[in-house]
Amino acid sequence: GQNIDQPTEMTATEGAIVQINCTYQTSGFNGLFWYQQHAGEAPTFLSYNVLDGLEEKGRFSSFLSRSKGYSYLLLKELQMKDSASYLCAVRDRYGGSQGNLIFGKGTKLSVKP
Amino acid sequence: GAGVSQSPRYKVAKRGQDVALRCDPISGHVSLFWYQQALGQGPEFLTYFQNEAQLDKSGLPSDRFFAERPEGSVSTLKIQRTQQEDSAVYLCASRGHGRLNTGELFFGEGSRLTVL
Repeated sequence: GQNIDQPTEMTATEGAIVQINCTYQTSGFNGLFWYQQHAGEAPTFLSYNVLDGLEEKGRFSSFLSRSKGYSYLLLKELQMKDSASYLCAVRDRYGGSQGNLIFGKGTKLSVKP
Repeated sequence: GAGVSQSPRYKVAKRGQDVALRCDPISGHVSLFWYQQALGQGPEFLTYFQNEAQLDKSGLPSDRFFAERPEGSVSTLKIQRTQQEDSAVYLCASRGHGRLNTGELFFGEGSRLTVL
């Protein structure tokens, strides 16, 4: 079966660093995505990993270990506007949709002053 | 268009009514997806189109759900005889193609359906 796990909620302080973990078990793997979703808005793309290692993009970094079925999203220098849900999604190569994304339930991050 | 556009943004239906939700993808995007997102949950796959062909409808929860994309651009998701459990946000996403494309999906803001 397909399963993607991530914490339901996290709280962090403005200016701090937070790490959001994601573990997955899927029938195939062709990349892992992180999306940000503010309440009532569309999910927006943050990062993509297909090989093991760290991808850095400004204040956001994403890490992947395919052998462990594990990824994390690292947010540095947190700002109030980073309060949102963060969605981990795996592209299943073997899905009938030629690359459909399977999403976790999302991690709701609250940034406090 | 500049982004994925969905309408209506909000829809209230009485149980048993039919509804139609529209998606206008990014111009030139071949792939189009529909997802259902319940409150506090991640998006769940419903169906996928490549141009006008519906290649995967395995996520449609029942035969009350029907999607089409007759000219390979705009898509419509239709729900017949709506039930309360159909209440959710329906997200449409499109994807470009090309060797340098990571394959990320571009989402619309969704249509929030409330069934009373």
